[in-house]
Amino acid sequence: NAGVTQTPKFQVLKTGQSMTLQCAQDMNHEYMSWYRQDPGMGLRLIHYSVGAGITDQGEVPNGYNVSRSTTEDFPLRLLSAAPSQTSVYFCASSYIGGGFGIQETQYFGPGTRLLVL
Amino acid sequence: AQKVTQAQTEISVVEKEDVTLDCVYETRDTTYYLFWYKQPPSGELVFLIRRNSFDEQNEISGRYSWNFQKSTSSFNFTITASQVVDSAVYFCALSEARLLQGGSEKLVFGKGTKLTVNP
Repeated sequence: NAGVTQTPKFQVLKTGQSMTLQCAQDMNHEYMSWYRQDPGMGLRLIHYSVGAGITDQGEVPNGYNVSRSTTEDFPLRLLSAAPSQTSVYFCASSYIGGGFGIQETQYFGPGTRLLVL
Repeated sequence: AQKVTQAQTEISVVEKEDVTLDCVYETRDTTYYLFWYKQPPSGELVFLIRRNSFDEQNEISGRYSWNFQKSTSSFNFTITASQVVDSAVYFCALSEARLLQGGSEKLVFGKGTKLTVNP
């Protein structure tokens, strides 16, 4: 298993450009999510998905779009990049806990470092 | 609202010292999960432990141990006989767990504690 993979590892954008951060997992996990990590802020949830065709917003969704057409892939789109979106982006995935409050462990990809000039 | 506080921004110790990383959480849920992740200088996030709110037993894994106390809403992490390879940023995280629907899977992270272990 490759686990959770992310591409690219590093990207530089100019303000106003668009791009897609790719995330894929080969563990058949239902749940996938995107977080951003900023200095001194920990990780904050951007968007998440509980299965193909189902997505929802997290804590900081503005400026980002997601879709989930397959179980394996969960791309994150920046429609018009802004300097405030300079960050490290992590994708994570897990099984969904099967009732009675069971919470499965999320596993993270290696991250994408994004610089918006 | 859920919240995780890691009051220690940075800690520096000398190799072989014991060190405790503090984590205090807030939640209105009676069922929840707590996690610790390690982020070494290479940048990836490494899962260390998961603990649910019904299990207050302390856990030990090699040089790592965790102390969960619901009475003080704390889930502290201790490294015994620290090593240079333990140098990393450590994150504590919290998620709610909906009893009839499985976990919510949404993690709320603390801001992290940067641990530096000097030789």
